[in-house]
Amino acid sequence: GESVGLHLPTLSVQEGDNSIINCAYSNSASDYFIWYKQESGKGPQFIIDIRSNMDKRQGQRVTVLLNKTVKHLSLQIAATQPGDSAVYFCAENAGGTSYGKLTFGQGTILTVHP
Amino acid sequence: EAQVTQNPRYLITVTGKKLTVTCSQNMNHEYMSWYRQDPGLGLRQIYYSMNVEVTDKGDVPEGYKVSRKEKRNFPLILESPSPNQTSLYFCASSFQVGGGTEAFFGQGTRLTVV
Repeated sequence: GESVGLHLPTLSVQEGDNSIINCAYSNSASDYFIWYKQESGKGPQFIIDIRSNMDKRQGQRVTVLLNKTVKHLSLQIAATQPGDSAVYFCAENAGGTSYGKLTFGQGTILTVHP
Repeated sequence: EAQVTQNPRYLITVTGKKLTVTCSQNMNHEYMSWYRQDPGLGLRQIYYSMNVEVTDKGDVPEGYKVSRKEKRNFPLILESPSPNQTSLYFCASSFQVGGGTEAFFGQGTRLTVV
């Protein structure tokens, strides 16, 4: 696979456990946030997003929480499965004159053990 | 099938020899973007395009050019590649950046400049 995982934060969980992946973002003006999943040898896949006027959004087995006070984003995965093993990235968009710009975090490696 | 197609998937070239990486999407998306991915650095945005003939710089545009003459295509041009442009490149598209629209990524282009 691609060597994108060097020196990244890692999280190891057992199958069936819940996983929480955290992300600190830098721009207080960011108003849109996205979580992506990247499996080895593939491009990132959209998981879920959230706008800054929300503090929680739920999808299928995933929940994103946003705390604007401390500029923190988290992705919760319920009943984690081996197929969830991947690198997870958060991304932020500031809108306005930076509408098209997306800034990604460095990523977190999630490993799910059967 | 909805997809973003990049070509080539792998490329080894020599310093200074102009090259183009093509990106095409079949979803009539307005927004397209290029990223490079390097170990430990996550994805960094190179250029993006909000629509035909509308392009703007991302965080790391130096040494790259893009064009958006048609909605479906967004080629990345390296006029004079250098070894520090050795990286994994991804193209992405979506209807828009914000508002819950899913972004689709290509499979990636592994570029090596010697």
